Amino acid sequence: GIQVEQSPPDLILQEGANSTLRCNFSDSVNNLQWFHQNPWGQLINLFYIPSGTKQNGRLSATTVATERYSLLYISSSQTTDSGVYFCAVNGAAGNKLTFGGGTRVLVKP
Amino acid sequence: GAGVSQTPSNKVTEKGKYVELRCDPISGHTALYWYRQSLGQGPEFLIYFQGTGAADDSGLPNDRFFAVRPEGSVSTLKIQRTERGDSAVYLCASSRSGVNGELFFGEGSRLTVL
Repeated sequence: GIQVEQSPPDLILQEGANSTLRCNFSDSVNNLQWFHQNPWGQLINLFYIPSGTKQNGRLSATTVATERYSLLYISSSQTTDSGVYFCAVNGAAGNKLTFGGGTRVLVKP
Repeated sequence: GAGVSQTPSNKVTEKGKYVELRCDPISGHTALYWYRQSLGQGPEFLIYFQGTGAADDSGLPNDRFFAVRPEGSVSTLKIQRTERGDSAVYLCASSRSGVNGELFFGEGSRLTVL
């Protein structure tokens, strides 16, 4: 099946800093989503982005499908951005989302 | 409701007991998924329903696990003869248009097997 690798595994930021999270995948995809898992375990939808670029407030994401990667940008980070960020993809021949291992983000005040 | 609803939110049981976990998807969503998440890991796929039928159950770990969706809406994940290794958060998700549409997750059911 499709492989999904996220980097870095852990990230510590000072409040106000910017950061980039990366998601590499091993095959072409029909679906790619970014999620934020909050401290209570809820998976919050950030972006549905199988290709192209989207922005939502301080967050933006870019997927370059031909090169098999996606980037999530966090600007002017806040303590509420802490948590685990997951990338999940569905391969072209697949019928399920496969999750990466996540990036654990801690934003310090 | 507005989102995916899962009950119970927490379940503690003893080894060997039977457990049912319920998922109520977003209204109008035909696709429903069950995932399992262990501590410190990403969610892992268990089973996918399109309507009433299980389109893919390749993620179910063994025959102690079973899921149904008899009317194409609410789904129940059933675990027989629970083992301590079954302890995890069980997540349900739904999508309007199948796996290539956007998936929305519930808050999960945390299962602890003593």
